[in-house]
Order: sequence, then C-alpha cells, then structure tokens
Amino acid sequence: DAGITQSPRYKITETGRQVTLMCHQTWSHSYMFWYRQDLGHGLRLIYYSAAADITDKGEVPDGYVVSRSKTENFPLTLESATRSQTSVYFCASSHQTGTGPTEAFFGQGTRLTVV
Amino acid sequence: DAKTTQPPSMDCAEGRAANLPCNHSTISGNEYVYWYRQIHSQGPQYIIHGLKNNETNEMASLIITEDRKSSTLILPHATLRDTAVYYCIDWGSGNTGKLIFGQGTTLQVKP
Repeated sequence: DAGITQSPRYKITETGRQVTLMCHQTWSHSYMFWYRQDLGHGLRLIYYSAAADITDKGEVPDGYVVSRSKTENFPLTLESATRSQTSVYFCASSHQTGTGPTEAFFGQGTRLTVV
Repeated sequence: DAKTTQPPSMDCAEGRAANLPCNHSTISGNEYVYWYRQIHSQGPQYIIHGLKNNETNEMASLIITEDRKSSTLILPHATLRDTAVYYCIDWGSGNTGKLIFGQGTTLQVKP
C-alpha cells in the first residue's frame, strides 16, 4: 500500500536495551524526519535526512542513532533506552522541489514505553 | 527553535469561522508558511501552505500579510471535529529542509 508506515505501533522495552523503530515510505520522497512527542507536549525533531546516506541532527538527537541506506527507509535506534525516552515517535516524509518542500506526510506513530 | 509565535489556545463556536493567527517575523524570502493540525494523538495532518498570495483549499483559507510577517488560518465553518492543535511553520529550502514545530494553538470548538 502506498503511504508511510511505522512499526511497531506499540513497544515496551527495558532500560538499557537497544530498540529500533522502523519507518517506510513508498513515494521515494527525498526528505524524512523523526519526531518525539511527550505526553501533553509538542513535537520535537530528533533527526532528519535529506536523501539516502545524508542525515543531520534535529533539536533533541542525544541518545538516538539513525541511518538511511535506502531512500524509502529511515530507522531510528535507541542504543541504550532510558525512561526519559518514553514517548510517542512520529516519522514523516516530504519531497523537495526546486521551489521548496512539498507537504510532509506523517506516520501513525509508535508508542514506546521504557520500563 | 521554532521561529513562529501562536496563541496557546482559542475557542470557537461550532458553525462559526475560526481565525487562527501566527507571527513569523523572521521568515526569509524562500520560506513558505505551512499549517498543520494534530487531532488528539494522531500524526499531524497538512492543511495548507502559501508563499505570498492568499490560498484556499477544501479545508481552509490562508491569509498572508503583504510584508509576510504574519498570517491567519481561517476555518470557515468550524465543526467539533476541527478541535485540534494547529501549528504554523515557516519552512523552505533555505533552512535545509528542517521542519520544526512550535507549541501551536489548541483550538477548542464548542457546541
């Protein structure tokens, strides 16, 4: 199906474990983004990517690692999960034209709980 | 940090127009004004965007001032389902594609 999908939708993990959140888009959009949204707060940009093999830090990158070997995938890894990383994670994608970005499309989110 | 300023909350009566203001005084010439909304815990949803001219689509209208330092999103006939957090963002190729959300405006549509 066309679109942007995140997996898993829900994840419970223990402190100190490594966990990877997946994001896949079918539009071949050049830009992809990862956000976290803590309960009752706004979205904060973790990392973004302008194209395959090009990534850059956002507002809150510490404790996270990303990679983008293929245009359609943008996994987010928490190398050693902490309770403060309990949050809802959203992935988004957007195409960049010569005159600017197109609208961004968001996934349905992954609710991560670190115990 | 987000470069836009929005009121934290607004109320609107059902069936009336909702006018949501946004200040983007540091917007650069190649940045667009984008509006998104987030209903409850869903992913944000695109509403509309514009560069200089006013824009209208099936969801809303966007009015941008001539100096581009502020804009207003208009929902012409608000319904209860329009209750959401609305985000105004200035975004363009000039900021290397980084899409930063501010705190947004929580719009409560009341019966």
